[in-house]
Amino acid sequence: DAGVTQSPTHLIKTRGQHVTLRCSPISGHKSVSWYQQVLGQGPQFIFQYYEKEERGRGNFPDRFSARQFPNYSSELNVNALLLGDSALYLCASSSMTRNTEAFFGQGTRLTVV
Amino acid sequence: GQQVMQIPQYQHVQEGEDFTTYCNSSTTLSNIQWYKQRPGGHPVFLIQLVKSGEVKKQKRLTFQFGEAKKNSSLHITATQTTDVGTYFCAGPYSGAGSYQLTFGKGTKLSVIP
Repeated sequence: DAGVTQSPTHLIKTRGQHVTLRCSPISGHKSVSWYQQVLGQGPQFIFQYYEKEERGRGNFPDRFSARQFPNYSSELNVNALLLGDSALYLCASSSMTRNTEAFFGQGTRLTVV
Repeated sequence: GQQVMQIPQYQHVQEGEDFTTYCNSSTTLSNIQWYKQRPGGHPVFLIQLVKSGEVKKQKRLTFQFGEAKKNSSLHITATQTTDVGTYFCAGPYSGAGSYQLTFGKGTKLSVIP
């Protein structure tokens, strides 16, 4: 079985640009969460989607948005990129919404210059 | 909001020495999860503790959940170079239909051969 896959693996963008990151969860998993990990810190929760509905939102500005598709894959969009958005963006899938382990993808390394 | 704190931030040990990292939550947790992230990698689930005072072992790793379900520890006996990485604890937060993990900043373990 394939694990969580994310694309692209690396990305360089210029300040002010827009970026779309993609994630395919483990087959059968209906919950997808997005995390931002800045160097030297733990992952920070951005969004959770379950059955195509937003179930949770972290403390991130409205420049961040996401959606989940009927096949449970997900996109994370970030508008008007700032230098501070440079980070590893992790997608995690799980089989349930609560009390269950998260399976992380390899992440997308975003660099904003 | 919920906060999860980990100490120490860094730990350098000689191969064969023991290692312990501690995790404290500002709120009582329904469960606590531990993840390991190798350099350049993504977080990988190690274990979940649910019951008050629970102790679980995985070979040389011993995980403990405090009686008050607000603290936890991970102890590695006789470290090996394969133990190198950052160890994160994470507590779930669920409210208003959402489910998110709050991660500590992690303890980065270096093992000197």
